Amino acid sequence: GAVVSQHPSWVICKSGTSVKIECRSLDFQATTMFWYRQFPKQSLMLMATSNEGSKATYEQGVEKDKFLINHASLTLSTLTVTSAHPEDSSFYICSARDSRQIQETQYFGPGTRLLVL
Amino acid sequence: GENVEQHPSTLSVQEGDSAVIKCTYSDSASNYFPWYKQELGKRPQLIIDIRSNVGEKKDQRIAVTLNKTAKHFSLHITETQPEDSAVYFCAATVNYGGATNKLIFGTGTLLAVQP
Repeated sequence: GAVVSQHPSWVICKSGTSVKIECRSLDFQATTMFWYRQFPKQSLMLMATSNEGSKATYEQGVEKDKFLINHASLTLSTLTVTSAHPEDSSFYICSARDSRQIQETQYFGPGTRLLVL
Repeated sequence: GENVEQHPSTLSVQEGDSAVIKCTYSDSASNYFPWYKQELGKRPQLIIDIRSNVGEKKDQRIAVTLNKTAKHFSLHITETQPEDSAVYFCAATVNYGGATNKLIFGTGTLLAVQP
């Protein structure tokens, strides 16, 4: 149980284009999902908290107009990187909390590797 | 806000030896401390966690200790094996009273177990 998927697993795009990444909880409902970014040999940096049916909460320094988050259902959150630039190239990982559990355990997706040329 | 420091950044041990990774946190309100193992290019996997009402927790070769007074917690791996080689991250929750808990991660420790 507690499986989280992400799609796509990797994407290469041209500078200026937009890229959408999907995060799905496959066998549980997730009221809350989280989006992280991880640069090579670095830690996971929280970008935003995605709440089903409401606006996402962004961390300081993360541009909400550049990283659009939509959490339209209890099993799906999407992150859209708008007008991507080479500096946006990174490993994007989502995580989800099981709404039925009291614990704060986060289950991570496999990540999406984005390369912007 | 919460700040989590992790040491060492790299750790090399011989197979069979023990490995210890230490983390400190700044927010005394933090009450949940998970440890994740991340292999190269893969997702972080939860390996053990501890809540603030417990001082120690063990799961086979892995144990975690928590000192709330000093605000530090440690991961202990005994009888290390080559497959334990990975990057390990500690984390702490920050609870802003009614808001969704979010994890703040440490900087990671690259553990290399030499056969």
